[in-house]
Amino acid sequence: DQQVKQNSPSLSVQEGRISILNCDYTNSMFDYFLWYKKYPAEGPTFLISISSIKDKNEDGRFTVFLNKSAKHLSLHIVPSQPGDSAVYFCAASSISNFGNEKLTFGTGTRLTIIP
Amino acid sequence: NAGVTQTPKFRVLKTGQSMTLLCAQDMNHEYMYWYRQDPGMGLRLIHYSVGEGTTAKGEVPDGYNVSRLKKQNFLLGLESAAPSQTSVYFCASSYDRTSGWSEQFFGPGTRLTVL
Repeated sequence: DQQVKQNSPSLSVQEGRISILNCDYTNSMFDYFLWYKKYPAEGPTFLISISSIKDKNEDGRFTVFLNKSAKHLSLHIVPSQPGDSAVYFCAASSISNFGNEKLTFGTGTRLTIIP
Repeated sequence: NAGVTQTPKFRVLKTGQSMTLLCAQDMNHEYMYWYRQDPGMGLRLIHYSVGEGTTAKGEVPDGYNVSRLKKQNFLLGLESAAPSQTSVYFCASSYDRTSGWSEQFFGPGTRLTVL
């Protein structure tokens, strides 16, 4: 059973407009939520995170919103730029028995910014 | 500072052959991880390591073995490759999580095809 879901496999947005990527989760024990960005033939790179005790975190053009009651988070990119075209993975973090990070990833959303 | 590197970048195997994927990191990270990425599945954790000589199973460990003889290296082995192991494999590493969430840094990936 998939604990982290991204229901939109792809999204196209006009340059300069807002991109909104969505993610749903089922496990209430996750304590951090993250977004990773991935370009073709490269590894994922960290974009932004949010603690489960917050409802918003902002970093430049990127803002992540968390709605714990709905078990839903979203990533807003504004304004969208051509370089934002990539696959975005939502991930949820929990601590293993050894005390390290364990990430559960969603299936990804391919964002295409149209010039 | 190369970050996380993976060897090889591409490999084609025949069913039943064995191989080892090498991951190296130069950030003195304690924790290292192996993931596989399949279409429509996101990234799934295979095995991880919490220090030299200590490894643990992730979400999809069957058919794989790992070793961490040196802190900077994490090896992923396939003893008898199967077509179901055709995938892109990513290695990642991270710091200790004791002071909160810790970013995972990913390598560029190894594309493996099993015929």
